[in-house]
Amino acid sequence: DAKTTQPPSMDCAEGRAANLPCNHSTISGNEYVYWYRQIHSQGPQYIIHGLKNNETNEMASLIITEDRKSSTLILPHATLRDTAVYYCIVRYMEYGNKLVFGAGTILRVKS
Amino acid sequence: KAGVTQTPRYLIKTRGQQVTLSCSPISGHRSVSWYQQTPGQGLQFLFEYFSETQRNKGNFPGRFSGRQFSNSRSEMNVSTLELGDSALYLCASSGGLGSSYNEQFFGPGTRLTVL
Repeated sequence: DAKTTQPPSMDCAEGRAANLPCNHSTISGNEYVYWYRQIHSQGPQYIIHGLKNNETNEMASLIITEDRKSSTLILPHATLRDTAVYYCIVRYMEYGNKLVFGAGTILRVKS
Repeated sequence: KAGVTQTPRYLIKTRGQQVTLSCSPISGHRSVSWYQQTPGQGLQFLFEYFSETQRNKGNFPGRFSGRQFSNSRSEMNVSTLELGDSALYLCASSGGLGSSYNEQFFGPGTRLTVL
């Protein structure tokens, strides 16, 4: 079972920041938080991952709370092309490259 | 660098038949994972291969099998197809030396319809 909880859907205005929350209260010390997204009819796309520090790349920023029980993915200037299902995944070392996907959050970016 | 490719992209089969799907990972990647995506169950992990060995397996019946070749290309096979096997089958590859924390690159998927 997925070990993360996300809201089923969110709306965001084009050009504004999209903040997608994720709860992972049972995360353990050596488990990473990953974010992927899936645009309709395509394979999932890696966005970002982190352990305990905040991370930023060309696509997004990842903010992880100090107790690591929750995180927020931030898309700084959402565009219509960011409309997708966003998955927050806790990566377990013993699972190797296995990803356990939950239901994700449907983000709708509106003009 | 070419991405992950999957063939065929679309497939229609009838119940009881078998099917083989193919995945070519990104050059240099040694890990290939397979996922099944259905509207009801979402994205579910099938199995992972690394250096021609199955390293991880999900909770699917034995009708689902796979293999990996020395060039890292992978195939998955589903025997005795059932209507519930209709799904998008996704392949993902990752590189490096088997690190657990590499990002995975997904292919476009094979859409299988079982009639």
